[in-house]
Amino acid sequence: NAGVMQNPRHLVRRRGQEARLRCSPMKGHSHVYWYRQLPEEGLKFMVYLQKENIIDESGMPKERFSAEFPKEGPSILRIQQVVRGDSAAYFCATSPGGPLEKLFFGSGTQLSVL
Amino acid sequence: AQSVAQPEDQVNVAEGNPLTVKCTYSVSGNPYLFWYVQYPNRGLQFLLKYITGDNLVKGSYGFEAEFNKSQTSFHLKKPSALVSDSALYFCAVSLNTNAGKSTFGDGTTLTVKP
Repeated sequence: NAGVMQNPRHLVRRRGQEARLRCSPMKGHSHVYWYRQLPEEGLKFMVYLQKENIIDESGMPKERFSAEFPKEGPSILRIQQVVRGDSAAYFCATSPGGPLEKLFFGSGTQLSVL
Repeated sequence: AQSVAQPEDQVNVAEGNPLTVKCTYSVSGNPYLFWYVQYPNRGLQFLLKYITGDNLVKGSYGFEAEFNKSQTSFHLKKPSALVSDSALYFCAVSLNTNAGKSTFGDGTTLTVKP
């Protein structure tokens, strides 16, 4: 049973470009959470999705950021018109669902904006 | 709203000595508490969780944590530290009303010296 797969591991973009980060959950996991980790800071919640639905996006910036988890395929975190402040590690975590379940994390995508 | 505080950015201990990594939380309701560990360039790994029942929870790699409701704390402990325990540790809390969205502390860097 493969773990949570994130790709790419490293992504370099110039200011104004788009960044697409992918997350494939573990088998049997239908709940996906995206977190952002800035240097010297902890994990900040961004968005929580179940299949085809956004459940909670209270941590997402109002502009330029979007997320989806389609019926088929991985969850995608999309950042349009990236700026230097978007440089961070983005982690995806998945679970079978519910507050009692531990989260399984991917290895993250390190986004660097030049 | 829920929040987690890890008051110490860094904890240094000598190998073989006991270690404690502190965590306090603030929630309106019954908390579910978690500890995760992060090694360099990796995603977080689950260590242990408190849901209900015994206040002392045992987890992976010899770690344990004690839930103290009156002090709203969930400190991570280990009787005898190993050099290989050196890593970044995160405390997290979720509620049964938020469908599993966890709030993380800012992390504590544990360094165990030989």
